Amino acid sequence: NAGVTQTPKFQVLKTGQSMTLQCAQDMNHNSMYWYRQDPGMGLRLIYYSASEGTTDKGEVPNGYNVSRLNKREFSLRLESAAPSQTSVYFCASSEWLAGASYNEQFFGPGTRLTVL
Amino acid sequence: GNSVTQMEGPVTLSEEAFLTINCTYTATGYPSLFWYVQYPGEGLQLLLKATKADDKGSNKGFEATYRKETTSFHLEKGSVQVSDSAVYFCALLDNTDKLIFGTGTRLQVFP
Repeated sequence: NAGVTQTPKFQVLKTGQSMTLQCAQDMNHNSMYWYRQDPGMGLRLIYYSASEGTTDKGEVPNGYNVSRLNKREFSLRLESAAPSQTSVYFCASSEWLAGASYNEQFFGPGTRLTVL
Repeated sequence: GNSVTQMEGPVTLSEEAFLTINCTYTATGYPSLFWYVQYPGEGLQLLLKATKADDKGSNKGFEATYRKETTSFHLEKGSVQVSDSAVYFCALLDNTDKLIFGTGTRLQVFP
């Protein structure tokens, strides 16, 4: 049971290049999320997917697109990378358990992206 | 809107010292509250939670009490260890199931 996995771990891009960050979870969770972490700003939600086939914008969606490929996988795409997108990106998943009063989000190890 | 404010770091302590990291929140209603911990080079892990007023969350010697009157959820530990060195995030779950995080507080514990 690997939990939430992310690839790659590190990436360096030049301004204008594109790339896709991959995320997969093996916990059969319906909800998945993409965050970015910047110094002094905590984690900010980029996009989320409440269930397979649905995606919604979070707090900072500009410059990103997402695809919920299936229940397991949720990818984040940068079409034309900019230096302002230099950050650490985290994927997470969650599920409401029957009778629970909260849902716990489980995080991947992160992707450190530098845009030159 | 919903928000979480936590004390700036870094917090630097000697081993076995008492730890407090302050967290206050602004929210509609009574959201669930969480502390997450991020060890160097890793993702976030849930440390503890409280889902209603006066609940006390606890784990690994850490505690936090949901104080409705002061809208606070301060993290405490009686005796920190070097292995507790990490970044700690306070968060609330809003009514659309999204987590709102504070900015994080780095804790450094020296032997």
